[in-house]
Amino acid sequence: DTAVSQTPKYLVTQMGNDKSIKCEQNLGHDTMYWYKQDSKKFLKIMFSYNNKELIINETVPNRFSPKSPDKAHLNLHINSLELGDSAVYFCASSQVEQGAQRGYGYTFGSGTRLTVV
Amino acid sequence: DQQVKQNSPSLSVQEGRISILNCDYTNSMFDYFLWYKKYPAEGPTFLISISSIKDKNEDGRFTVFLNKSAKHLSLHIVPSQPGDSAVYFCAEAGSGYALNFGKGTSLLVTP
Repeated sequence: DTAVSQTPKYLVTQMGNDKSIKCEQNLGHDTMYWYKQDSKKFLKIMFSYNNKELIINETVPNRFSPKSPDKAHLNLHINSLELGDSAVYFCASSQVEQGAQRGYGYTFGSGTRLTVV
Repeated sequence: DQQVKQNSPSLSVQEGRISILNCDYTNSMFDYFLWYKKYPAEGPTFLISISSIKDKNEDGRFTVFLNKSAKHLSLHIVPSQPGDSAVYFCAEAGSGYALNFGKGTSLLVTP
């Protein structure tokens, strides 16, 4: 069983389109994240949700909107896609009591490669 | 501003030798530093961590050293194996449970 699963794995779309990336975790974790790895390979936090509540919202264009329908899901919706949005997006989850604040309780998904043409 | 820096984008080491990956940071308030390992087409996986109150942590072939005065940490892999070939990310555990990563160092271990 995949612990953190993201769909789709690859996404190619045209500029201006709206797309969503889905993430689900079956670990029972209470915190979920979206990270973006850009062309320079820099892996940067975008959003963090704890028990469905937004706790981190980094400087991300408001075209990006996370949605957490329940503790096990954190989806990422992107409006009006731009060329610069091309990147690999990673979902992750953690459980605070397992040391998430110390960073070693993280489980990452395998990533979604988004290409905007 | 990047708070965690890995200045070497790549490193090549012969099998059996020591691999040393380096990382510098800017914020003295960081509590924990971590190393994550990433294979192509996979997400990062946790490798080893160190608390800011320690200067060394060892786990099998992997040892992390922390030099607080120099704001520098390093990961030593001894002996290096071909399966260690991956991208290694240095990270600090930031606020709100987030991880702040460096840009990564791509390690290639050759037979």
